[in-house]
Amino acid sequence: QSALTQPASVSGSPGQSIAISCTGTSSDVGGYGLVSWYQQHPGKAPKLMIYDVSKRPSGVSTRFSGSRSGNTASLTISGLQAEDEADYYCCSYAGSYTLVFGGGTKLTVL
Amino acid sequence: EVLLLESGGDLVQPGGSLRLSCAASGFTFSSYAMTWVRQAPGKGLEWVSAISGTGDYTYYADSVKGRFTISRDNSKDTLILQLSSLRVEDTAVYFCAKTEALGVIIVPEYFYMDVWGRGTTVAVSS
Repeated sequence: QSALTQPASVSGSPGQSIAISCTGTSSDVGGYGLVSWYQQHPGKAPKLMIYDVSKRPSGVSTRFSGSRSGNTASLTISGLQAEDEADYYCCSYAGSYTLVFGGGTKLTVL
Repeated sequence: EVLLLESGGDLVQPGGSLRLSCAASGFTFSSYAMTWVRQAPGKGLEWVSAISGTGDYTYYADSVKGRFTISRDNSKDTLILQLSSLRVEDTAVYFCAKTEALGVIIVPEYFYMDVWGRGTTVAVSS
């Protein structure tokens, strides 16, 4: 159950697009293709943004999208807005009814 | 509105025990698998444990296996996490979260957290 690998930080200016990568192995991201993404503002509970790699829950902006290629999943945020500044975590099913999270990525909107 | 409210966090000495609860409302609690996720101070999220809707199946991260026990009381819409043999590294905010996994067995395709509580703080220190 090793954590998935995410960049510690990414940044972008308002209106730009950014992507956050999430690298695992064939035992999690690559093997099952069941990745979810969570947004967490300081001191708050996480919020589901993407599930099943690329599906958006009702109410989540279409600016958020997800994809996967092999052992790496990605979250893309287009048209960056100030309120997007937060920590983002990927999470993958890892077999045997267990989940593994990434280390988290701090998004700064410049 | 779907709500989850955790309670039971406290300061406890290493080796001690604690019981966390999560009161659920706004959905048919007994239908959904539930999870606990924790976050150490300044650190990332860590999945801790999950339980099926009926409570028949339980799952744990290696870091807590044998020390933590997840259970649920579907008559009271309450999720429970019993923590024992606590270590300093168990210090964290513990979040209760609902999954989309319905039924007796957790289907992996629905094993993600769609609603989260605000968390309860566990501090392990002498």
